[in-house]
Amino acid sequence: GQSLEQPSEVTAVEGAIVQINCTYQTSGFYGLSWYQQHDGGAPTFLSYNALDGLEETGRFSSFLSRSDSYGYLLLQELQMKDSASYFCAVRDEQAGTALIFGKGTTLSVSS
Amino acid sequence: DAGVTQSPTHLIKTRGQHVTLRCSPISGHKSVSWYQQVLGQGPQFIFQYYEKEERGRGNFPDRFSARQFPNYSSELNVNALLLGDSALYLCASSTGTGLAGNEQYFGPGTRLTVT
Repeated sequence: GQSLEQPSEVTAVEGAIVQINCTYQTSGFYGLSWYQQHDGGAPTFLSYNALDGLEETGRFSSFLSRSDSYGYLLLQELQMKDSASYFCAVRDEQAGTALIFGKGTTLSVSS
Repeated sequence: DAGVTQSPTHLIKTRGQHVTLRCSPISGHKSVSWYQQVLGQGPQFIFQYYEKEERGRGNFPDRFSARQFPNYSSELNVNALLLGDSALYLCASSTGTGLAGNEQYFGPGTRLTVT
């Protein structure tokens, strides 16, 4: 089956850098995605890695190592508004482009 | 452009009742996926439809069913509601082609409470 593991909680202060790790298990791999979800809100797409290496989008970067079945989301210059849940996800092998999500990492940013 | 819309936003039902949730995808998107999210967990895949055909089904009982209409909107139906069905039900649309990083665009969800 498919599964993803990520830490349940991370805390940091404004201006800091935080890394959220994700390890996955899947027989067919179509890339690793990251989504952000604020309390009561809809998940929103942050980034996607299909190949090994680092993808940078503003303050957020995402890394993938396919040989290690591992990726991470790096958030820099943290702001209070970054307090949210972050999910890594892989494509469901049984269902087209639907996603299997990890349980999520709750990031709390304090001043 | 309008994003993904879902209705209703909130719903309270009694055990044993039936519920229908509705979703309209982003214009031009042909794929709709349904997810269930219970508090403190990630979204769990229920169904995906593409061009009105079921493309996949998650590990949910037969009480859950869905369909997609010619205009690509979708309905999720749940029969014989159980307390454990209380959750946020999310609809996501995508182009369905598998390109562009599998990006799914989520609606605001329907919060279902079963009493």
